[in-house]
Amino acid sequence: AQSVAQPEDQVNVAEGNPLTVKCTYSVSGNPYLFWYVQYPNRGLQFLLKYITGDNLVKGSYGFEAEFNKSQTSFHLKKPSALVSDSALYFCAVRVLFSGGYNKLIFGAGTRLAVHP
Amino acid sequence: NAGVTQTPKFQVLKTGQSMTLQCAQDMNHNSMYWYRQDPGMGLRLIYYSASEGTTDKGEVPNGYNVSRLNKREFSLRLESAAPSQTSVYFCASSEVLPQTTGNYGYTFGSGTRLTVV
Repeated sequence: AQSVAQPEDQVNVAEGNPLTVKCTYSVSGNPYLFWYVQYPNRGLQFLLKYITGDNLVKGSYGFEAEFNKSQTSFHLKKPSALVSDSALYFCAVRVLFSGGYNKLIFGAGTRLAVHP
Repeated sequence: NAGVTQTPKFQVLKTGQSMTLQCAQDMNHNSMYWYRQDPGMGLRLIYYSASEGTTDKGEVPNGYNVSRLNKREFSLRLESAAPSQTSVYFCASSEVLPQTTGNYGYTFGSGTRLTVV
């Protein structure tokens, strides 16, 4: 079955420290992987994607993610956290079916709390 | 501004009442989706419409119906609301793959917060 797992409900980190938000996936074929961020009472905003190519992808607001095919992981990282990064983060995989049609399957989400 | 527009933003219903959530996109996307977001469960797909004239069930379709009115609009209807349908509902749209432009992701509306009492 196709699925996405985010093993941590919450990640706490001090401002200025590096942060990692974990994601693993299970999908047949080559994965299209995404990270989205949700601020309170807002919709989801696209952060970054992995489609093909370099395993380290860079996205918005200084975030990056590393695709690891052997470990089926796509962890989100940032070298130096900001208090304003505090939000809910979702990992997602795009599942393809015939004709190019597709749907997104989401992980449960990880709440990131950055403390001053 | 181009994007996905959802109405209403907030709604309170009594058990057994019906209502329709509206969604419209102006990006000329073929595919549209309805998700619900519940704490600790991420976003779960209710229904989707791969293209105008087609609709399909997602993971949690029970208690809902949808209509793809035209390429722009995709509505979600609750015929007889239940407290278990208290949630935040998101509409999204995307293009058929392979894409030549855009971020390959979805564009989401700002959500409808629905409470059923």
